[in-house]
Amino acid sequence: DSGVTQTPKHLITATGQRVTLRCSPRSGDLSVYWYQQSLDQGLQFLIQYYNGEERAKGNILERFSAQQFPDLHSELNLSSLELGDSALYFCASSADFSDTQYFGPGTRLTVL
Amino acid sequence: AQTVTQSQPEMSVQEAETVTLSCTYDTSESDYYLFWYKQPPSRQMILVIRQEAYKQQNATENRFSVNFQKAAKSFSLKISDSQLGDAAMYFCAYRTHPITGTASKLTFGTGTRLQVTL
Repeated sequence: DSGVTQTPKHLITATGQRVTLRCSPRSGDLSVYWYQQSLDQGLQFLIQYYNGEERAKGNILERFSAQQFPDLHSELNLSSLELGDSALYFCASSADFSDTQYFGPGTRLTVL
Repeated sequence: AQTVTQSQPEMSVQEAETVTLSCTYDTSESDYYLFWYKQPPSRQMILVIRQEAYKQQNATENRFSVNFQKAAKSFSLKISDSQLGDAAMYFCAYRTHPITGTASKLTFGTGTRLQVTL
């Protein structure tokens, strides 16, 4: 158990809908990272937050957004969902920029 | 931009034997971190081992060790005394040093699926 929690574990929804994925980092970790794992794109970095502020953006679509709250948990919002958004979404956390990233169990999103 | 290449989509090893997974990367930076993550069928991403580029000594964690060749930009993972529980997808990953770079994201290779046979 990495100490990073993600909810829900599975999510099935329809095209055009909006969903929210939640992540709680390890106790004391200030950085949260979101990654997407899909069959055709592999593991890709989406976005990073550090102590409530956005720090880095990767290949994140405009339909996707994220935030980190004062208690350090983070949410990834996916809207106008398309079939291609079906993937495993991981959250990872680290204590600061120099630390190793520890991954949560992931949320499997299926868009029908 | 940094890239990570894993040229072996699949590997197989017999129980108790040794196997080496290959990884090469491309970067213009002199300081960075390299990682191997394991993803078993449960899909959890588990850190196996980490190497800091400025350290010449190869990292070791129990049965897992790396062969880090900085000049060749190579970072292979050796698994000794392979066990059935080692069967998983293994990902090599690169991270910019947080002081010299602005982003601390992980850049992953495409993975190597390791099968362990009796």
